[in-house]
Order: sequence, then structure tokens, then C-alpha cells
Amino acid sequence: EDQVTQSPEALRLQEGESSSLNCSYTVSGLRGLFWYRQDPGKGPEFLFTLYSAGEEKEKERLKATLTKKESFLHITAPKPEDSATYLCAVTTSGNTPLVFGKGTRLSVIA
Amino acid sequence: ETGVTQSPTHLIKTRGQQVTLRCSSQSGHNTVSWYQQALGQGPQFIFQYYREEENGRGNFPPRFSGLQFPNYSSELNVNALELDDSALYLCASRPGPEAYGYTFGSGTRLTVV
Repeated sequence: EDQVTQSPEALRLQEGESSSLNCSYTVSGLRGLFWYRQDPGKGPEFLFTLYSAGEEKEKERLKATLTKKESFLHITAPKPEDSATYLCAVTTSGNTPLVFGKGTRLSVIA
Repeated sequence: ETGVTQSPTHLIKTRGQQVTLRCSSQSGHNTVSWYQQALGQGPQFIFQYYREEENGRGNFPPRFSGLQFPNYSSELNVNALELDDSALYLCASRPGPEAYGYTFGSGTRLTVV
């Protein structure tokens, strides 16, 4: 059974304090790993898709990396507006559904 | 380009009742998936519709059913509501059944009392 585990469950940072969120996965043949941002009471907002080990993608203060067992979402010099829950999901083929982790709840304090 | 629209945004129902949630997919997207997200959890896959037929189902009982219409909009129906059905229900559309570009709606918050 495909599994996704995210850590930590919650993270509290001071503004400007860089850190990383972890997503470890166990799947039978990864086809894609996705990062989403979710604000309270809202749907997930797409951030990145990673397809193969060694791949990296960046967007503003966020950088996602992928290895054969895990992915990291690095947040550089975060701001209060980066506060949200960050979800990781995987798929093993185009026609299989996304399997999500429980998310990391990030709070950035000014 | 419009995104995914869900209605209603919030709903309160009594245990045993039935509920219908609606979703309008993003323009150009013909595949719709529904997910249930309990508080503090990640979304769980309920089912997917493509060309008006169910095209995959997660570990949910038959009282969870759906429809997809010719315009690719979709409904999620839940019969005999239970307290544990209280959750955020998310609709996600994509350009095809094997495409990776999911777009999620804002969800419907269902509370069962």
C-alpha cells in the first residue's frame, strides 16, 4: 500500500528563520510527487510537481527537492504570509489517485 | 479561465439525512475526482469520474455515490449520513484521466449533527 509521511506535524518559525519540511514516501513506482499549500477552510493550491530523483524546483521562497525515498520543501527567509498547511502527495501512474500525507502546519511569526 | 467551483460552501445536516454536493470543473477539464478531508488529516480519495462514468474508487462505502454530466460538472451524494462524515469535501478536475494537472476547488464543509 502506498504511504506518505510528513514531518514535522507542526512547525513554528520566526520571520526570516529558514527551515525544511519533509515528505517520505513508500510507493511501488513513483510517477510524480506533488506539493500543495492549503489555507484554513480552502482547497489545496498547487506548488510543484517532481518526477525523478535529483529534480529540484523553485518558486519565490520555496524550493522542492526529490530523492528516491523522500522530498524536502525548503523555505528560505519565510514571511508571515507563508503560514499554511503544506501537503505532499504521490501518484504511481496517471490514472491512480493522489495519495496524500497529513500535512505540515507551518506558522511564521513576525 | 475559470477554476473549480463547489457549492455550497458550508452545510449542516442531521444524522441519517442525505446530501448532494456540486462541482463545476475547470474549463477544458473532463475528469473529476472527489476527496474527503477530515480535520487535521490529508485528503482521502473517494472516486473519479471520466466521460460520465466512475473511473476509480477509494475505500468508501456505497452510500457515497456520484454523477458526472455532459458538461463535465459533477455531484457527490451521500446517503444515511453519519457523524464521521463531517469533513471538508474537495473536488479536483484535470484535463484527462491520466493527466497530472489537478486543480482543486475550495471545498464544501459538511457538518453532521
